[in-house]
Amino acid sequence: LAKTTQPISMDSYEGQEVNITCSHNNIATNDYITWYQQFPSQGPRFIIQGYKTKVTNEVASLFIPADRKSSTLSLPRVSLSDTAVYYCLVGDWDNYGQNFVFGPGTRLSVLP
Amino acid sequence: NAGVTQTPKFRVLKTGQSMTLLCAQDMNHEYMYWYRQDPGMGLRLIHYSVGEGTTAKGEVPDGYNVSRLKKQNFLLGLESAAPSQTSVYFCASSALDRAEEQYFGPGTRLTVT
Repeated sequence: LAKTTQPISMDSYEGQEVNITCSHNNIATNDYITWYQQFPSQGPRFIIQGYKTKVTNEVASLFIPADRKSSTLSLPRVSLSDTAVYYCLVGDWDNYGQNFVFGPGTRLSVLP
Repeated sequence: NAGVTQTPKFRVLKTGQSMTLLCAQDMNHEYMYWYRQDPGMGLRLIHYSVGEGTTAKGEVPDGYNVSRLKKQNFLLGLESAAPSQTSVYFCASSALDRAEEQYFGPGTRLTVT
């Protein structure tokens, strides 16, 4: 299983761009990188997934360097409502996702 | 379209009691999962199912049993509750061709005294 390492917490101000980096040095060839967001008292919500280079959707961007040993989730112009825990997961989703580990994640606090 | 629903939302049990948590999804998803989340921690997979009539163990299956008799339902049972099972339980489901995009229910907060 690919182990991931993320910062425990981050602070930002409204309107800023936030970048959360995840390290996954032993990522396997078939592994994808997936990010989830969790608000207090709610279940996690899928944000974005990528394999290499850059992926962008209406919520975030995901940057993956050529060696794929890390990835960066980028949230443009955050607002107070982006305060949440963000999880980085690495694995082969073709394997039904049964071996995925949601680590402690990164607790993002957006300040006014 | 309710998505993923969980019953009950809260429950308090005494040690040794049993209970069943019900998860239902109306998205026709093949895969379903049960997780637990302890305070300040990430989610840990208890059991999962890749289709009706199938179940498999996840990371922390001891003390729990599951059944998936119907595609839309996934039941989690605690036969003899222990204080260590105090947690928030989340159910999730995902489609066959988008397993990475799991849809989560609102959670069940269980306290075992």
